[in-house]
Amino acid sequence: SQKIEQNSEALNIQEGKTATLTCNYTNYSPAYLQWYRQDPGRGPVFLLLIRENEKEKRKERLKVTFDTTLKQSLFHITASQPADSATYLCALGRFGAAGNKLTFGGGTRVLVKP
Amino acid sequence: GAGVSQSPSNKVTEKGKDVELRCDPISGHTALYWYRQRLGQGLEFLIYFQGNSAPDKSGLPSDRFSAERTGESVSTLTIQRTQQEDSAVYLCASSLANLQEDEQFFGPGTRLTVL
Repeated sequence: SQKIEQNSEALNIQEGKTATLTCNYTNYSPAYLQWYRQDPGRGPVFLLLIRENEKEKRKERLKVTFDTTLKQSLFHITASQPADSATYLCALGRFGAAGNKLTFGGGTRVLVKP
Repeated sequence: GAGVSQSPSNKVTEKGKDVELRCDPISGHTALYWYRQRLGQGLEFLIYFQGNSAPDKSGLPSDRFSAERTGESVSTLTIQRTQQEDSAVYLCASSLANLQEDEQFFGPGTRLTVL
């Protein structure tokens, strides 16, 4: 069966350092991958999209890589700030005859300490 | 502009009662999704609607769960004869078109507690 794994342990990191999160998947061939941020009591908010034929995407202090051979995506937050503290979710998507569907990982909580 | 809204924000019910959750998507978004999120866990897909196509109900956990959508607007998720394991946050999302890798815009969720 399809499986998407994100580190369930919280990532504690010092302000200014780079946070690196992993998203691994098995039994799945995604056409694209999205990363979302979720704050407590709120719905997820879209951050980045990367397609299967793309190796890397950047947006401000965020960087995503996508390795379809390793079946892994890495999500980096550079120069981390306390405001980056949140849960980060990866979601894999593929195109279907009836439309698209995302499958979400369990999320990794990040805590940036000043 | 207005985002996705959901009501109620919180719902406490007794085991065995029916509940109805409402979602108002962003105007013009043809795709609408429902997810369930148990405490400390990721999002579990329930159902999605795309325009006038038949909905994808593959994620509904039992026949106690059903959802409807009126055209490309409001959707309601109904849970009949609620059980304690139904306690979770129910999230609704919409996207512009479900034919591309469009981002999903989420509502704040409805927190359901079944006593």
